[in-house]
Amino acid sequence: QQQVKQSPQSLIVQKGGISIINCAYENTAFDYFPWYQQFPGKGPALLIAIRPDVSEKKEGRFTISFNKSAKQFSLHIMDSQPGDSATYFCAASRMDSSYKLIFGSGTRLLVRP
Amino acid sequence: NAGVTQTPKFQVLKTGQSMTLQCAQDMNHEYMSWYRQDPGMGLRLIHYSVGAGITDQGEVPNGYNVSRSTTEDFPLRLLSAAPSQTSVYFCASSYARTGDQETQYFGPGTRLLVL
Repeated sequence: QQQVKQSPQSLIVQKGGISIINCAYENTAFDYFPWYQQFPGKGPALLIAIRPDVSEKKEGRFTISFNKSAKQFSLHIMDSQPGDSATYFCAASRMDSSYKLIFGSGTRLLVRP
Repeated sequence: NAGVTQTPKFQVLKTGQSMTLQCAQDMNHEYMSWYRQDPGMGLRLIHYSVGAGITDQGEVPNGYNVSRSTTEDFPLRLLSAAPSQTSVYFCASSYARTGDQETQYFGPGTRLLVL
């Protein structure tokens, strides 16, 4: 049973465009939703995270949108750059146990120059 | 700070062999976790620890053992390797358990091939 479903599996965007990655979760007890960025040969690194008491969180070019009623959240990368090319993972957990993350399957993003 | 370190970087095992994947952190983090990453499946939690002497199972614990004798170290043991354990293994650590203060720091990973 996949508790966090992520789409698309891969994404190609032109430089300057908007990259959008979507995730849906099933467990209503989840209340912590981070996004991780992973470059080839490296471990994942926290990019941005949101709690369900807000509908949107922005950090630079990266924005998380959260829809609690639909149990969905998404990552938007504005003005996408070739350096953003990486694999992105959404994840979810209960906030009191955020060391036990449930990850989505990942999205491989390629930003063309 | 070195952060989270993992050794070895790459290992080839034969079916039935045993080995220990090492993980250490120098950030005095209380919480540590082991994940495996397989193509198309994201990362899945194997075992985790909430402090020295305390461990528990994650999503996919079968075939793996862990111990936490010190705050710094959290080794993962494969008792009898199987081809299904071919994967990339990541260790992670974090200080606080509440989301806002929480950042799970991941190590660089160990790539394991079981023949």
